[in-house]
Amino acid sequence: GAVVSQHPSRVICKSGTSVKIECRSLDFQATTMFWYRQFPKKSLMLMATSNEGSKATYEQGVEKDKFLINHASLTLSTLTVTSAHPEDSSFYICSAPGNLAGGTSETQYFGPGTRLLVL
Amino acid sequence: QQQVKQSPQSLIVQKGGISIINCAYENTAFDYFPWYQQFPGKGPALLIAIRPDVSEKKEGRFTISFNKSAKQFSLHIMDSQPGDSATYFCAAPAGYYNQGGKLIFGQGTELSVKP
Repeated sequence: GAVVSQHPSRVICKSGTSVKIECRSLDFQATTMFWYRQFPKKSLMLMATSNEGSKATYEQGVEKDKFLINHASLTLSTLTVTSAHPEDSSFYICSAPGNLAGGTSETQYFGPGTRLLVL
Repeated sequence: QQQVKQSPQSLIVQKGGISIINCAYENTAFDYFPWYQQFPGKGPALLIAIRPDVSEKKEGRFTISFNKSAKQFSLHIMDSQPGDSATYFCAAPAGYYNQGGKLIFGQGTELSVKP
């Protein structure tokens, strides 16, 4: 099946630093990827849509200057949390739609997530 | 924004029992309803999905029942096993059109299957 990877799986950083999270589709191309944020025991909150070759589209209330998204290629999207603060600590998950065997163009394949802790 | 409301928030079921999780949606234009399973510290994985042209879809022990008139769909896990213990999310396409797979999620149901 389709595989989406994320790196790193876990990161601890100091307040004020920037952290980059990578999302890769390993066996299919993704012109669109999505970034979600999840708090403990909560649902997934869509942050933004990453578009290859164009600017990301952010959901209402998400600071685009805080969460920089770059879709560098058909298999890679990055989320950079700039000037991170403790309130940015969360579980960040990416996904990519794939029209593969057994699925449809709407089937979302999720990465394993990145746990960010800002001290 | 259109919402998907999921219940119950948590569910405890004995091994071998039936787990039932319900979701209600608002937008009648939604045309794809997936269920995702998430284990602690992992990303969600697609479990089963249904389109509104059918009322039921079954895959192994997992069944989706869909009630278009009531704008509700539910997940049934038959013969529940301890390995099914996870958080389950229903979802629907965000917006009025399928925006390239963009999803909105229900609140999640934490299922615990007791041996």
